[in-house]
Amino acid sequence: GAVVSQHPSWVICKSGTSVKIECRSLDFQATTMFWYRQFPKQSLMLMATSNEGSKATYEQGVEKDKFLINHASLTLSTLTVTSAHPEDSSFYICSARDQGGGTDTQYFGPGTRLTVL
Amino acid sequence: AQSVSQHNHHVILSEAASLELGCNYSYGGTVNLFWYVQYPGQHLQLLLKYFSGDPLVKGIKGFEAEFIKSKFSFNLRKPSVQWSDTAEYFCAVEGKSGNKLVFGAGTILRVKS
Repeated sequence: GAVVSQHPSWVICKSGTSVKIECRSLDFQATTMFWYRQFPKQSLMLMATSNEGSKATYEQGVEKDKFLINHASLTLSTLTVTSAHPEDSSFYICSARDQGGGTDTQYFGPGTRLTVL
Repeated sequence: AQSVSQHNHHVILSEAASLELGCNYSYGGTVNLFWYVQYPGQHLQLLLKYFSGDPLVKGIKGFEAEFIKSKFSFNLRKPSVQWSDTAEYFCAVEGKSGNKLVFGAGTILRVKS
């Protein structure tokens, strides 16, 4: 199957700093990528849909000024958590949509564990 | 609004037992349906998916799922589980007119050897 990578896999930062997370589709092009957040013992919650070359679409309740998304190329989307606070500590997962070759499936990255002190 | 309900949060089985994980969805239209698995310490992987056609879908590792439209269900089955099937399983639904996956809460399966 298709491979999606995330970097970093874990990060610890101080409150008030910003953290950038990268999501890459390694062997396919993805015009659409998604960012999810997973709290302990809970399911994935969609935060936003990232579209290459255009603005991201945010889900209700997600602050777009806090979670900045950039999808500058067909293989890379970034999520920047600005002015992070302890309540932003979570597991952030991206996925990339593979629509090539008659398929239409989301492939998930390994996730990034963010801890804000 | 779309929603997905997974009936059991924790399931414990012995090796060779049969498995069925329930999934029901609520959506006012036609859907694509998915089961994902997350092994301990690993990322989500696609087990199987249903877009159209035969409602009985076969996936990887001996898993299958049956789409029953009248019941809005997409239950996951495996005739004989192995210890290596210990993982968390997520059912997800996507409307055909949209591109957002909505996940169920997940079912943690533990297989005793």
